[in-house]
Amino acid sequence: GEDVEQSLFLSVREGDSSVINCTYTDSSSTYLYWYKQEPGAGLQLLTYIFSNMDMKQDQRLTVLLNKKDKHLSLRIADTQTGDSAIYFCAEIMNYGGSQGNLIFGKGTKLSVKP
Amino acid sequence: DTEVTQTPKHLVMGMTNKKSLKCEQHMGHRAMYWYKQKAKKPPELMFVYSYEKLSINESVPSRFSPECPNSSLLNLHLHALQPEDSALYLCASSRTSGSGLWETQYFGPGTRLLVL
Repeated sequence: GEDVEQSLFLSVREGDSSVINCTYTDSSSTYLYWYKQEPGAGLQLLTYIFSNMDMKQDQRLTVLLNKKDKHLSLRIADTQTGDSAIYFCAEIMNYGGSQGNLIFGKGTKLSVKP
Repeated sequence: DTEVTQTPKHLVMGMTNKKSLKCEQHMGHRAMYWYKQKAKKPPELMFVYSYEKLSINESVPSRFSPECPNSSLLNLHLHALQPEDSALYLCASSRTSGSGLWETQYFGPGTRLLVL
């Protein structure tokens, strides 16, 4: 079935690295995404990775993709208090009547302690 | 510019009211989406418009009525809602690749709806 799994909570100290993990189900997904949602706000596209890539780095963010294990991770270096938010992993469905639909994980709440 | 705008930001309505949510994008995207998000949950897809035609309706009750008047605008008309419809309503848009695959979705800030 279509299911994206994430751990629900992560707590780190300011300045440490954060790693948020996700497993997905559809091996035909072309893109995998990380969205950030701050309290009371909409979803902000944080980064994404194309399925033929293993890694993507963008400033403090590193995305790793293991297609064999269907595992996606987001590493935030030098985590700041402003990084406190819910992070959603999502895969895009590209077949049949669900074309273009995003399947979201339940979200990981990242708490950054000063 | 990757901006999707939504109005209003907040809306309080009674169960007998009729109201509309609006969404706008000027990125030339030809797919637009409505999502409903309850507290501490991921967004749930409601409707998808593709080239201004409704392509997906995820079994949403008829008290929600979407409309796509042109390629930049998306409305959600609300009528006779229930308190359990209170949620954050998010709009998103995306383009399609040359091979017909829908690409990255960009979200608006949402409308927080409270039904009394």
